[in-house]
Amino acid sequence: AQRVTQPEKLLSVFKGAPVELKCNYSYSGSPELFWYVQYSRQRLQLLLRHISRESIKGFTADLNKGETSFHLKKPFAQEEDSAMYYCALHGSSNTGKLIFGQGTTLQVKP
Amino acid sequence: SAVISQKPSRDICQRGTSLTIQCQVDSQVTMMFWYRQQPGQSLTLIATANQGSEATYESGFVIDKFPISRPNLTFSTLTVSNMSPEDSSIYLCSGRRTETQYFGPGTRLLVL
Repeated sequence: AQRVTQPEKLLSVFKGAPVELKCNYSYSGSPELFWYVQYSRQRLQLLLRHISRESIKGFTADLNKGETSFHLKKPFAQEEDSAMYYCALHGSSNTGKLIFGQGTTLQVKP
Repeated sequence: SAVISQKPSRDICQRGTSLTIQCQVDSQVTMMFWYRQQPGQSLTLIATANQGSEATYESGFVIDKFPISRPNLTFSTLTVSNMSPEDSSIYLCSGRRTETQYFGPGTRLLVL
C-alpha cells in the first residue's frame, strides 16, 4: 500500500535552531516525493521535490530509499517558516495523483 | 506555474441540499483533481477529473455523492450532493502541469 507518515503533528523550535520535519513513506516502486507548505491564510504550495535536489528558502530534503524517508531540514529556522508542512508521494506517473501525509505544524518561536 | 481559482470560497448549507464548486485554471493542465480536507485532517483525494468523460473516483467516494464534470482542459466542477454535517470540509481543486501539482485556495463548506 502507498502511504506517507509524518509522525509529528506539531514541532516547536526557537528562531535560529535547526529544524527537521520527518517523513516516511511506503511504496514498492520508485516514488517521487514532495514537500508542500501552507502558510496561514494562504493556499497550499509546492516547497520542493526530491528530483530537483534544490534548496528552497533554506530548506533541503534528501530521499533515503534505504530508510524510505524524505525528511525536510533547515539549519536555522526563521519565524516566517511557521506553517503547516505536508509530505506527499506521487506513486505512479500514469495517474498523477498525490498521497499526502498528515502534516506537521512548524511553530518557530522568537 | 498555474493559477487556480475556486468559487465559492465558502458556503453554509442546509442538510439535504447540494452545492456545486467551480474550479478554473488560468491555462491548460494535463490533469485535474479534487481533494477533501476534513477538520484537523490531511488531504484526501476524491477523484481525478477527466476531460470529456467520467471522473475516476478513489475508494470511498462515489459519483452519486460527488458528481464531477470537466468539459475542457481548464475548468471542472465538483458537486457535493444531499449534504450532511459530515460533509463539512475544505474542498480543494488541483491541476497538474509538468509533473507539478498546483492547488486552488479551497472552498470551505459548513453543513448545518
